[in-house]
Amino acid sequence: DAMVIQNPRYQVTQFGKPVTLSCSQTLNHNVMYWYQQKSSQAPKLLFHYYDKDFNNEADTPDNFQSRRPNTSFCFLDIRSPGLGDAAMYLCATSRGASGASEQYFGPGTRLTVT
Amino acid sequence: DAKTTQPNSMESNEEEPVHLPCNHSTISGTDYIHWYRQLPSQGPEYVIHGLTSNVNNRMASLAIAEDRKSSTLILHRATLRDAAVYYCILSFDYGGSQGNLIFGKGTKLSVKP
Repeated sequence: DAMVIQNPRYQVTQFGKPVTLSCSQTLNHNVMYWYQQKSSQAPKLLFHYYDKDFNNEADTPDNFQSRRPNTSFCFLDIRSPGLGDAAMYLCATSRGASGASEQYFGPGTRLTVT
Repeated sequence: DAKTTQPNSMESNEEEPVHLPCNHSTISGTDYIHWYRQLPSQGPEYVIHGLTSNVNNRMASLAIAEDRKSSTLILHRATLRDAAVYYCILSFDYGGSQGNLIFGKGTKLSVKP
């Protein structure tokens, strides 16, 4: 089945130690999104790629970076994780970027910062 | 950004219909109305979307008011598996943010056996 895959499902990192989260998709979708969801809160969009074009949300901290080396893969890099970055990180894809586009979400990676 | 307002929580009985309301009084003409749901410990799942007309799919129905300032997600027969947080989201169809989903707090639906 076509899907959005996130690895690992659980990640523990130390305060200040860089960490990379991975997302891959078999849907061949043009757009890939990263969201942050803290405990008991709604998902918050961090940034997205339309093909190779990167679009950052205005309030996304500089500590968060992303790479999309090809259509299938997208990475979220947290350069110096703080305790406040502990959250579920969700990857999503969509075929296009219009108001009618449906997004397909992965299961998420739960990040713990110690 | 156009905002949506939803009740914090709702309860339903199993096998009964559920009507989840959403107000979006500042909606603009090109905003699509999307519904997603998030089951515990899972990523959000697309449910349905529409622009002006009512929509039906295998999961649910979406009823959109004539003035588009409100909408209702209808689950025809709730099951225990439908217990989730339901998000009503407006998705822009213009500008640099088109297609982005800005999640609000959503409605937590509980389903009683």
